[in-house]
Amino acid sequence: QQQVKQSPQSLIVQKGGISIINCAYENTAFDYFPWYQQFPGKGPALLIAIRPDVSEKKEGRFTISFNKSAKQFSLHIMDSQPGDSATYFCAASDRGSTLGRLYFGRGTQLTVWP
Amino acid sequence: EPEVTQTPSHQVTQMGQEVILRCVPISNHLYFYWYRQILGQKVEFLVSFYNNEISEKSEIFDDQFSVERPDGSNFTLKIRSTKLEDSAMYFCASVRALAGELFFGEGSRLTVL
Repeated sequence: QQQVKQSPQSLIVQKGGISIINCAYENTAFDYFPWYQQFPGKGPALLIAIRPDVSEKKEGRFTISFNKSAKQFSLHIMDSQPGDSATYFCAASDRGSTLGRLYFGRGTQLTVWP
Repeated sequence: EPEVTQTPSHQVTQMGQEVILRCVPISNHLYFYWYRQILGQKVEFLVSFYNNEISEKSEIFDDQFSVERPDGSNFTLKIRSTKLEDSAMYFCASVRALAGELFFGEGSRLTVL
């Protein structure tokens, strides 16, 4: 049973372009939605997170859009850079924070060409 | 910057052997976790630990698995009798408190032959 579905599996974007990764969930009890960035040989690192009381959160070039009625959320990376090349995971929790178990999506491997 | 440290970085073992993966969480953190990632697949929750006891465990965390915080700093994951399907990257993570950021270690790669 896949709690969080993530797409696409891989994404290739030109430098300066917009990278968009989408996630969908079924469990309406989820109330915390973080995105993690993982470089090869490293552990996942928190990039940005959102709670369902807001529809959008922006931090620098990274924006989460959240659609509660559609049970979908997405990560937008503006002005994508080669240094953004990594694997991105969306996740969800039903504890309103990182204290509860996180359900991860399958990941998106982003490649940004210079 | 404080970090979660894990040892060993890579361990190769024979099927049926016991394995202990070690983690040193960030010093003032109170909640501890193990996740695993089979090659090319998603990160999966194994167990959470708070106040010296398991808070939650997943269906993966069966009787072959155990966790311990023996000395107030180390946090260990023991797999009693490894199986081929236990081959994965195991990540330790910790968080200080509610609304805190979850920090992951760099992982311990376990290869079971």
